[in-house]
Amino acid sequence: GAVVSQHPSWVICKSGTSVKIECRSLDFQATTMFWYRQFPKQSLMLMATSNEGSKATYEQGVEKDKFLINHASLTLSTLTVTSAHPEDSSFYICSATTWGRPGSDTGELFFGEGSRLTVL
Amino acid sequence: AQSVAQPEDQVNVAEGNPLTVKCTYSVSGNPYLFWYVQYPNRGLQFLLKYITGDNLVKGSYGFEAEFNKSQTSFHLKKPSALVSDSALYFCAVRPPYNFNKFYFGSGTKLNVKP
Repeated sequence: GAVVSQHPSWVICKSGTSVKIECRSLDFQATTMFWYRQFPKQSLMLMATSNEGSKATYEQGVEKDKFLINHASLTLSTLTVTSAHPEDSSFYICSATTWGRPGSDTGELFFGEGSRLTVL
Repeated sequence: AQSVAQPEDQVNVAEGNPLTVKCTYSVSGNPYLFWYVQYPNRGLQFLLKYITGDNLVKGSYGFEAEFNKSQTSFHLKKPSALVSDSALYFCAVRPPYNFNKFYFGSGTKLNVKP
């Protein structure tokens, strides 16, 4: 299957600083990428959907200015947690699809390995 | 409203016994159906999918799932569980009318005991 790389896997930062998480599709061009947040022992919470070259679509309740998403190319999307606080500590997961590209849509989402953010 | 339900938060099974993890959905049309597995502190790994065709689909690691249109279910099964199958399992549905939407169940923790 297609490979999605997410970096960093773990990050610890001080309160008030910003943290950037990268999500790359290594062997395919991702028309759409999704960012999820997962709390302990809970399901995935979709934060936003990003399409290459356009602004991300945020889910209700997700602060756009807090969680900056950029999808500058077909292989890279970034999530920046700005002015991080302890309540932002969580497991963040990206995923990518090839939907919309004729001949390459296999249907499923491909997930990164996740990034564990701890804000002190 | 569109939704995916995994009625069991946790499933316990002894190694060597068959396992079933349940999933039902409420999505109109003929959706794509998926199962993913998540190990601790890892992303989700694709197990199998149903798009069309045979109602019984086979996937990775010996897992299979049965699509039942009348019951709108897509239960995950394995004939003989392994301790290494212990993980968190997610059912997911992609509606045919909006390819940018992907609905996940709440997850089921599978515990396989030796």
